[in-house]
Amino acid sequence: QSALTQPRSVSGSPGQSVAISCTGTNSDVGGYNYVSWYQHHPGKAPKLMIYDVSKRPSGVPDRFSGSKSGNTASLTISGLQAEDEADYYCCSYAGIYTWVFGGGTKLTVL
Amino acid sequence: EVQLVESGGGLIQPGGFLRLSCAVSGFTFSNYVMSWVRQAPGKGLEWVSDISPGGDSTDDADSVRGRFTISRDNSKNTLYLQMNSLRAEDTAIYYCANRLSGYFFDYWGQGTLVTVSS
Repeated sequence: QSALTQPRSVSGSPGQSVAISCTGTNSDVGGYNYVSWYQHHPGKAPKLMIYDVSKRPSGVPDRFSGSKSGNTASLTISGLQAEDEADYYCCSYAGIYTWVFGGGTKLTVL
Repeated sequence: EVQLVESGGGLIQPGGFLRLSCAVSGFTFSNYVMSWVRQAPGKGLEWVSDISPGGDSTDDADSVRGRFTISRDNSKNTLYLQMNSLRAEDTAIYYCANRLSGYFFDYWGQGTLVTVSS
């Protein structure tokens, strides 16, 4: 399984919106509605932000939203805040109880 | 509060072996699928292995199949990863994570660093 493709970095000013893309294939992102997103502050435990493409776990602000079109999923963060600065990883179920992650995107809040 | 705490990482020579542990609390361990995910230096995350709640079924990534073995002790609320025939490319931070019933990882630990080098 090849890693999902994410931009290496994105940036935005406080209050703005940013979108992070995650491109896979028909065998993973395009084949299942099982894309999840994780926020990772280095040195800390990764945190689930979005699951099943667009669902938010309890406690995750509604500023975070997810979507999917074809083989590309997206995480959108609106109303950027300083604490959103982190690495973000997408993940997709890839069949036969295997998972594939993206290479990660570093979000910088300017 | 859900807690997952990995331990057992360290510096090991190529060809060597190491056993990682993940001690959990704050949830009913025996109800959850447990996973290992790793992150090599400067790289993204990579799923490594899964084990069913009862420990009777496992799945592994191609990159570790035949060398790594995931196991669990539900009486001790602990997950393990036995790593044999270690290679330089196994150098990574290893995270444990839980999965209740869906296709996503609910909670993660902070990871333990494994360095394979002579």
